[in-house]
Amino acid sequence: SSELTQDPAVSVALGQTVRITCQGDSLRSYYASWYQQKPGQAPVLVIYGKNNRPSGIPDRFSGSSSGNTASLTITGAQAEDEADYYCNSRDSSGNHLNWVFGGGTKLTVL
Amino acid sequence: EVQLVESGGGLVQPGRSLRLSCTASGFTFGDYAMSWVRQAPGKGLEWVGFIRSKAYGGTTEYAASVKGRFTISRDDSKSIAYLQMNSLKTEDTAVYYCTRIPRASDAFDIWGQGTMVTVSS
Repeated sequence: SSELTQDPAVSVALGQTVRITCQGDSLRSYYASWYQQKPGQAPVLVIYGKNNRPSGIPDRFSGSSSGNTASLTITGAQAEDEADYYCNSRDSSGNHLNWVFGGGTKLTVL
Repeated sequence: EVQLVESGGGLVQPGRSLRLSCTASGFTFGDYAMSWVRQAPGKGLEWVGFIRSKAYGGTTEYAASVKGRFTISRDDSKSIAYLQMNSLKTEDTAVYYCTRIPRASDAFDIWGQGTMVTVSS
């Protein structure tokens, strides 16, 4: 199976902009989805498709993609955005029927 | 309210079996593919497998790490998805989440709260 690679940790000052990236061959064929997970809670979908936000997700969250890299951008990070963020996509290796997750990025808001 | 509730987790010995259930409410369960995702303690998310809706054959796909040991099924009349786990290994210890996959999407848009499975002697 193919892999998605994320930086283990990223920090951002309160109110500033931060980009979290996800790299992998599958992203040349498929859009990434992004999930936010706070301690002791289930993940929550924040971005999917080209750049779509589910209902209830603040518009400071946005997604983009170029080549083998997908990015989640938080414009004006808030204290409540401190969490682990995971990307995932369909797995382009093999029969394209599986999914793969990135290892996750721990976001600290300073 | 759209909701998924997992149940059936617990402590089980290596080599034994366990069946998890995912009970859905607030949407037409039969219209959606459903997936299971797990998270070992302190680790990241791992996709386990999924089952298509009956409209797409109700067939299943699995991660290599569980293929041949785990089976996903569904009962649309009860709005329940199941994860049958056989020949359990210590490395299967994790929180198991049930997720929904919308039509024409590759995202997991709704997640349950998870159920903990501990495989230990």
